[in-house]
Amino acid sequence: NAGVTQTPKFQVLKTGQSMTLQCAQDMNHEYMSWYRQDPGMGLRLIHYSVGAGITDQGEVPNGYNVSRSTTEDFPLRLLSAAPSQTSVYFCASSPGGGQPQHFGDGTRLSIL
Amino acid sequence: AQSVTQPDIHITVSEGASLELRCNYSYGATPYLFWYVQSPGQGLQLLLKYFSGDTLVQGIKGFEAEFKRSQSSFNLRKPSVHWSDAAEYFCAVGANNAGNMLTFGGGTRLMVKP
Repeated sequence: NAGVTQTPKFQVLKTGQSMTLQCAQDMNHEYMSWYRQDPGMGLRLIHYSVGAGITDQGEVPNGYNVSRSTTEDFPLRLLSAAPSQTSVYFCASSPGGGQPQHFGDGTRLSIL
Repeated sequence: AQSVTQPDIHITVSEGASLELRCNYSYGATPYLFWYVQSPGQGLQLLLKYFSGDTLVQGIKGFEAEFKRSQSSFNLRKPSVHWSDAAEYFCAVGANNAGNMLTFGGGTRLMVKP
């Protein structure tokens, strides 16, 4: 049982480039989320989904796009990368409201 | 809006000593509270959670936390710290609504002296 799988683990981009961070879970969880982690700020919610076809914005959604076409996958798209988006990105899933979230190992993204 | 404060950015304790990590939250209703641990380069692992009921919650690795509504606190404790406990610890509050959104504190980095 793989849990939550994120790819890639590391990525370097140039300002203005676009890319997609992949997230897949094999636990049949309805809820999935994307967070970014910056030093001293903990994790901040970017976007979340409560089921296939349903997404909503979190605390810091600007510059990011998501879609949820299947229960398993929840990709995060950077539309035009900026240095302020240099961060570690975590995907998480949970069975439902109030239940603990299971986290992937993260994607470390640097934007030059 | 909900918020979480972890007042201590860094804490250093000696191996075998007791540990208490502080967490204060702000939330309008009864919160769902969590403690997570993150080792360097890793994701977050759930230590324990509080949903309702007994205010003293037991978790993995010998950790416990106590929910005190009057103080809006959910402090994490361990009676005897091991060197392997060195990591970063995050307190989080969850909303019992659609989305299961978590709001995290800024984290406390624990260092353990031999």
